[in-house]
Amino acid sequence: RKEVEQDPGPFNVPEGATVAFNCTYSNSASQSFFWYRQDCRKEPKLLMSVYSSGNEDGRFTAQLNRASQYISLLIRDSKLSDSATYLCVVRGTYKYIFGTGTRLKVLA
Amino acid sequence: DTEVTQTPKHLVMGMTNKKSLKCEQHMGHRAMYWYKQKAKKPPELMFVYSYEKLSINESVPSRFSPECPNSSLLNLHLHALQPEDSALYLCASSQAGTSYNEQFFGPGTRLTVL
Repeated sequence: RKEVEQDPGPFNVPEGATVAFNCTYSNSASQSFFWYRQDCRKEPKLLMSVYSSGNEDGRFTAQLNRASQYISLLIRDSKLSDSATYLCVVRGTYKYIFGTGTRLKVLA
Repeated sequence: DTEVTQTPKHLVMGMTNKKSLKCEQHMGHRAMYWYKQKAKKPPELMFVYSYEKLSINESVPSRFSPECPNSSLLNLHLHALQPEDSALYLCASSQAGTSYNEQFFGPGTRLTVL
């Protein structure tokens, strides 16, 4: 079993739709959690950290469920510019573990 | 300033060449990382430096040699690479330690080995 698992997609959604991504992790000792977005041929950019209480940044909401060992990302009112790969990242003791990424394509 | 810079942006080298990739950050971070990323794959960790000391080497072949001259700089020396080493090489930095530390990436060096 991979340490961090994501549905690779692609998710093709119309503009204005709400889309949710899930990510599961295997190490219960994992300490911190992040979502990154990566555009084609660019570096990953931090989208948001994921806190135990859940957190929201504009149209983006992240949730953490430690008991079930998963994190989620909800994007509301999708824009064309949201098209990217979304990477779930889990930090262990010394390093960051990346999921395989979920591709999102928002269609006009 | 959440910026990590990398040079060069692109590099083409032959299998007998020696070249170096450079990374710099001025965020006061004491942990720096090298990743390798192939198309449609997530970044793959190569090395971690913590407080200028190598703390993780993910069994990377010796043709890749990292160096951390000071807390702001990270180099990756390349020698006798193979065509399969062609990839995007990403540098990243974060605060050291085990608290909630966000990691920031540079724009990467796109390496082609002929």
